[in-house]
Amino acid sequence: NAGVTQTPKFQVLKTGQSMTLQCAQDMNHEYMSWYRQDPGMGLRLIHYSVGAGITDQGEVPNGYNVSRSTTEDFPLRLLSAAPSQTSVYFCASTRLAGEETQYFGPGTRLLVL
Amino acid sequence: SQQGEEDPQALSIQEGENATMNCSYKTSINNLQWYRQNSGRGLVHLILIRSNEREKHSGRLRVTLDTSKKSSSLLITASRAADTASYFCATGQGGSEKLVFGKGMKLTVNP
Repeated sequence: NAGVTQTPKFQVLKTGQSMTLQCAQDMNHEYMSWYRQDPGMGLRLIHYSVGAGITDQGEVPNGYNVSRSTTEDFPLRLLSAAPSQTSVYFCASTRLAGEETQYFGPGTRLLVL
Repeated sequence: SQQGEEDPQALSIQEGENATMNCSYKTSINNLQWYRQNSGRGLVHLILIRSNEREKHSGRLRVTLDTSKKSSSLLITASRAADTASYFCATGQGGSEKLVFGKGMKLTVNP
């Protein structure tokens, strides 16, 4: 049971480049989400999904796209990277049972030059 | 928008001492959760307290919730150097798995 996995661990992009951050979980969790963590800002919700084919925006969705074609995978796409997207990105998952703990991946550190 | 606010923002104590962290929030909640983050790692869930609970224990952790004051506290007893980490409170609203995190506080336990 690997839990929540994220790839890559670290990425450097140039402004305007695109990339996809991968997230996968093997716990059959319906709910998956993406957060970004910036110094002194805590974690802010980017996008989330309550099941395959269903996604919704969080607090800071601009500049990011998501899709959920399977229960296991929830990739985050940056279409045209900007320096303001330099951050650490965390994926999390949980059951749709209400008031459940969330399981976090190890994070992806992204630097946009 | 940030819901929880941890206090203090940083705390440094000696091994064996107790550490108390406070969290205040703004809107009504369904539950409040505490997470720990070791440097460079993902968050790990510590404890969850529901809005109808006032106190909960888990090992060396004790969490209290006062919904009238919209505040919670996390007590770590007999701290260890391994407790050195950042701690976050997160609130859940009814009918949603979405969590709103505070900015976190840094605990340093000196051996």
